[in-house]
Amino acid sequence: DAKTTQPNSMESNEEEPVHLPCNHSTISGTDYIHWYRQLPSQGPEYVIHGLTSNVNNRMASLAIAEDRKSSTLILHRATLRDAAVYYCILKGNYGGSQGNLIFGKGTKLSVKP
Amino acid sequence: DAGVTQSPTHLIKTRGQQVTLRCSPKSGHDTVSWYQQALGQGPQFIFQYYEEEERQRGNFPDRFSGHQFPNYSSELNVNALLLGDSALYLCASSLRGQLNNEQFFGPGTRLTVL
Repeated sequence: DAKTTQPNSMESNEEEPVHLPCNHSTISGTDYIHWYRQLPSQGPEYVIHGLTSNVNNRMASLAIAEDRKSSTLILHRATLRDAAVYYCILKGNYGGSQGNLIFGKGTKLSVKP
Repeated sequence: DAGVTQSPTHLIKTRGQQVTLRCSPKSGHDTVSWYQQALGQGPQFIFQYYEEEERQRGNFPDRFSGHQFPNYSSELNVNALLLGDSALYLCASSLRGQLNNEQFFGPGTRLTVL
């Protein structure tokens, strides 16, 4: 699986938008971009994923660059509960294959009241 | 609907001992993956089980072994424990063939090796 690069840490104020960047310059045409987050003392949880088009769900939005070499996870209004480590992961999706997740160190997001 | 459950939550062992960790997948899921997370690091993939067989394996020695039962639950066994095996062990379940292959993680088992 291709590697991703994320900032080690970011800070945000509560109720403001947060843009978490991820670079993946060696992404292949079949790699999906997945985001997971890990709240303190919990296992990781799925946030969102996409292939080429921007994606929205109840948790966040994912903006994917046209060349797919970078992406941005957008939290529209950060809450204290959003303080977590956010992981950007590239993952193949080969039919019935259940490719494993390759985690980096992620971005530790702090949210100030 | 219960999510992924793991037992025990915490465990303390000494070097050279053996340990067994347990995982019950989310209802309806048939695939179980195990990850090791050292302090301050992201989780590292150990192996994945489907249809009671190991399907994929990460870069872990043979001291790490596993099993999946007919009810899809799984065990992770670690023999000859080393101090470096101290970590949070995470179990994740998923449904094979699901397009987005979203994995649901349990809360983990914290293993301390003294």
